[in-house]
Amino acid sequence: SQTIHQWPATLVQPVGSPLSLECTVEGTSNPNLYWYRQAAGRGLQLLFYSVGIGQISSEVPQNLSASRPQDRQFILSSKKLLLSDSGFYLCAWSRTGGDGYTFGSGTRLTVV
Amino acid sequence: QKEVEQNSGPLSVPEGAIASLNCTYSDRGSQSFFWYRQYSGKSPELIMSIYSNGDKEDGRFTAQLNKASQYVSLLIRDSQPSDSATYLCAVKAGGTSYGKLTFGQGTILTVHP
Repeated sequence: SQTIHQWPATLVQPVGSPLSLECTVEGTSNPNLYWYRQAAGRGLQLLFYSVGIGQISSEVPQNLSASRPQDRQFILSSKKLLLSDSGFYLCAWSRTGGDGYTFGSGTRLTVV
Repeated sequence: QKEVEQNSGPLSVPEGAIASLNCTYSDRGSQSFFWYRQYSGKSPELIMSIYSNGDKEDGRFTAQLNKASQYVSLLIRDSQPSDSATYLCAVKAGGTSYGKLTFGQGTILTVHP
């Protein structure tokens, strides 16, 4: 069966510090991968998606970047965090050509 | 801008009642429709998917789709306190969209004993 791992679960970072969140998928190959952010009391905002190694599409211009160095690994990064980067970050995967997502357990990021 | 709209609620129903959650979408080319349940502090969990007009039942859950009206709903029968959560409607556009889903803001459901 397929599983998705996301870490860390919680993170408190000072403004201006770097960020690296990692997501890995097991039990499947060539998944579509997604990073979403959910701000407090708001809906899910798609940040990045990837259909293959090294292929990253950005949905919203911002202070973040994403990379996919391996087939089942997706990384969300920032060089310098802003207060507005606080939120609940969710990684998700779907099959190529598939429909519904499966989400990871999420990372709650607080920038102070 | 492709949009998915939901009433934010909160929707409060007594235990044992039917909860009705509604969602409208703007993109007529949308192909696939999903309902996710999100407990407070947790990640969303897929509970229903529907692809063609009509009803789809799974246990106490029924999803209804009307593409002509651009409307999708979720009915929860015999609601339980454990159903209290935020319910997110998600829509996949037609064409080459790489599986991207657009989510509504979510409806908060509270089931009281």
